[in-house]
Amino acid sequence: QKEVEQDPGPLSVPEGAIVSLNCTYSNSAFQYFMWYRQYSRKGPELLMYTYSSGNKEDGRFTAQVDKSSKYISLFIRDSQPSDSATYLCAMSPIKAAGNKLTFGGGTRVLVKP
Amino acid sequence: DAGVTQSPTHLIKTRGQQVTLRCSPKSGHDTVSWYQQALGQGPQFIFQYYEEEERQRGNFPDRFSGHQFPNYSSELNVNALLLGDSALYLCASSLVVGRGLTEAFFGQGTRLTVV
Repeated sequence: QKEVEQDPGPLSVPEGAIVSLNCTYSNSAFQYFMWYRQYSRKGPELLMYTYSSGNKEDGRFTAQVDKSSKYISLFIRDSQPSDSATYLCAMSPIKAAGNKLTFGGGTRVLVKP
Repeated sequence: DAGVTQSPTHLIKTRGQQVTLRCSPKSGHDTVSWYQQALGQGPQFIFQYYEEEERQRGNFPDRFSGHQFPNYSSELNVNALLLGDSALYLCASSLVVGRGLTEAFFGQGTRLTVV
């Protein structure tokens, strides 16, 4: 069993819809939670990171962490075709946001005009 | 502000050969991590360098080795290449702050094809 599980998709939504992505994890040592966006043949781009449980909002993006359920989510509001990409969740131990990240397999998202 | 830069962007090698990949961290960052990303999968941690020493290592064989230079740039070396080493190799940089690290910023990667 992988430490971080993520539905590979693809997830297809119409432009303007809300995109809902999630990951589950098994290692309770994870404290930092990140979402990266990766376009085809490019490196991952950091979208958001959160520490511990709760919500964090940044523009059209909202990240949620539920440590009791070992479940994290990313919501993208008013989705655009430019949001079409693979979204990776990543996690790391406490006080080490850049330290030995453990990634999910990524969810491919397609936003149709 | 230059981000993380990697070279070369693409590389084709023959099975059994050796390869060296290079990475320059984001300006102001002092820690470099390397990841391997197979097609359709998430990146997997190879190792991390700080103060010119390997600090952490993932589940990769000794054929994978690295180096960090005084200017914080880094190299990843892979010996005795196997077909299964074909992947996108990603470099990420961070900054040590207190007892922790800032979030990781990734380069564009080097796509290695072993034939």
